[in-house]
Amino acid sequence: LAKTTQPISMDSYEGQEVNITCSHNNIATNDYITWYQQFPSQGPRFIIQGYKTKVTNEVASLFIPADRKSSTLSLPRVSLSDTAVYYCLVGDKTGAGSYQLTFGKGTKLSVIP
Amino acid sequence: DVKVTQSSRYLVKRTGEKVFLECVQDMDHENMFWYRQDPGLGLRLIYFSYDVKMKEKGDIPEGYSVSREKKERFSLILESASTNQTSMYLCASKPGLAGFGGTDTQYFGPGTRLTVL
Repeated sequence: LAKTTQPISMDSYEGQEVNITCSHNNIATNDYITWYQQFPSQGPRFIIQGYKTKVTNEVASLFIPADRKSSTLSLPRVSLSDTAVYYCLVGDKTGAGSYQLTFGKGTKLSVIP
Repeated sequence: DVKVTQSSRYLVKRTGEKVFLECVQDMDHENMFWYRQDPGLGLRLIYFSYDVKMKEKGDIPEGYSVSREKKERFSLILESASTNQTSMYLCASKPGLAGFGGTDTQYFGPGTRLTVL
């Protein structure tokens, strides 16, 4: 099964760009990479999804190298409200052919005034 | 607007009780999931379902069962609750072809914080 690895925590000052990297060495050929954001006492919320190269939306950018064994979530000019846990998610197929999703353990981002 | 609802935000049960956690989605999604979330462990998949009456074990199915009699509803059952099942339980749903790969967006409910005494 694919496993993901992320830093446990990161600190950043307001206004800085933050990059969070996720490793997923066994990602399957057809799988996408998705990042979620979670605030305390809430369910995770979708941020961005990509397959390869670069994806950008109004919230973040996602960089995926050619080998797809890692991905980097980039948050431009973070504010205090970006303090949250960020999860990296990749799809995976088990040997039995069923479908299972694997979350990383999450990166707790703390934005400092 | 996409909506996933869970029957309770907070629940307190006693050891040995049978516990039902209900999840309902109004988006006609094929796939539904139950996770538990614990400090330092992130989200761990308990069970998922890619169609009515279909279910698959996730990473930590022991001590749990599920039921999906209707497309919009996915129930998590603790047959005999134990203190190590005290956790935050999150339900999610996603569209997409049943049983195929890819990582389409999952929509999460608000969570149920279960305490087993």
